[in-house]
Amino acid sequence: GQQVMQIPQYQHVQEGEDFTTYCNSSTTLSNIQWYKQRPGGHPVFLIQLVKSGEVKKQKRLTFQFGEAKKNSSLHITATQTTDVGTYFCQDTDKLIFGTGTRLQVFP
Amino acid sequence: KAGVTQTPRYLIKTRGQQVTLSCSPISGHRSVSWYQQTPGQGLQFLFEYFSETQRNKGNFPGRFSGRQFSNSRSEMNVSTLELGDSALYLCASSLGDRVNEQYFGPGTRLTVT
Repeated sequence: GQQVMQIPQYQHVQEGEDFTTYCNSSTTLSNIQWYKQRPGGHPVFLIQLVKSGEVKKQKRLTFQFGEAKKNSSLHITATQTTDVGTYFCQDTDKLIFGTGTRLQVFP
Repeated sequence: KAGVTQTPRYLIKTRGQQVTLSCSPISGHRSVSWYQQTPGQGLQFLFEYFSETQRNKGNFPGRFSGRQFSNSRSEMNVSTLELGDSALYLCASSLGDRVNEQYFGPGTRLTVT
């Protein structure tokens, strides 16, 4: 069946450093969504990407959808301690979540 | 506007028993999805309901079932519980006929002993 993998699994950064997580699907995606889950919390919607090659920005966060619509990335510029959590991508057609990337930010 | 609510928040059951979890979506939302979250398997999709019909189903055994009522509230049932069913069960609601932005509830923490 379809697999949605994210790399890296874990990332520890110093506050102020950049961070990127990559989401790769074994099949072509219609749309992709990104969620953030803080420790002890539930996933919170960040963004949805629809078009091939789409790039969207939210303050320090930049989201990209690959040209072939089989991969996506989330880049955070100048991380802050409030960015701590696990970031998940999701295929909106089959509602399959990626494996997640846990981000730890050290002050 | 009230968020997604799930009851109960915590549950302890014994192997072989069955359990029913409840989810009330945000008012006006017609799609409800269920997910199982464990440290080892991550976030796994169980099923999605829209207007009382199961529209999408994940790869779980038939012991896992669900339904949606006319007021969009949803329940999921797990029969013949196994130790491996211990997990956080999350439900999420979405507004329209396509699953877009999902709003998650706080989850039900199920422990099977």
